[in-house]
Amino acid sequence: AQSVTQLGSHVSVSEGALVLLRCNYSSSVPPYLFWYVQYPNQGLQLLLKYTTGATLVKGINGFEAEFKKSETSFHLTKPSAHMSDAAEYFCAVSEEQAGTALIFGKGTTLSVSS
Amino acid sequence: DAGITQSPRHKVTETGTPVTLRCHQTENHRYMYWYRQDPGHGLRLIHYSYGVKDTDKGEVSDGYSVSRSKTEDFLLTLESATSSQTSVYFCAITPAAPGQPIGEQYFGPGTRLTVT
Repeated sequence: AQSVTQLGSHVSVSEGALVLLRCNYSSSVPPYLFWYVQYPNQGLQLLLKYTTGATLVKGINGFEAEFKKSETSFHLTKPSAHMSDAAEYFCAVSEEQAGTALIFGKGTTLSVSS
Repeated sequence: DAGITQSPRHKVTETGTPVTLRCHQTENHRYMYWYRQDPGHGLRLIHYSYGVKDTDKGEVSDGYSVSRSKTEDFLLTLESATSSQTSVYFCAITPAAPGQPIGEQYFGPGTRLTVT
């Protein structure tokens, strides 16, 4: 069965510092992987996705993530945090087959201090 | 913008009353989903639909029913609301066609439901 683990429910960084949000998954077949961001009182917005091909994927707002099959990881990074990055971030996985929904991690809240 | 709206956006109801939440999409997507979001649990799938009158249960379907009589509308009903169903409910669609892998999902703005 698929599952997603996000390490750290809360991450705090200073403005300008590196952002690293960790995601590990389990899947018996090649996965599709996603990161979503949720700002307060809003729905989820797709940040980036990995399906096939290049393992380093770039998303919106300067975020990127790297698919590492050997480590079953898909960590999200941003070189320099902005105050506007403060939000909750969700990692999600689906398998390479039709008819199922995404499986979400429990989320990581990112705080950015000045 | 995936053209997804949810109504109502906020609702307070009493234990034991029926509640129906509506999800409406404008782009004729086949797959639609209902999730609930609770602190510490992330998003959990309640039900999903893969076509008109075709629905299936998700991880947390007990106490919920759904209906889809038109492609554009997916209704979630709490037959007799309980306090444990206080949550934020999100509708989602995927642009995947039948037989294709499920790719990204796009979410509506959510409905905040409080059961007193």
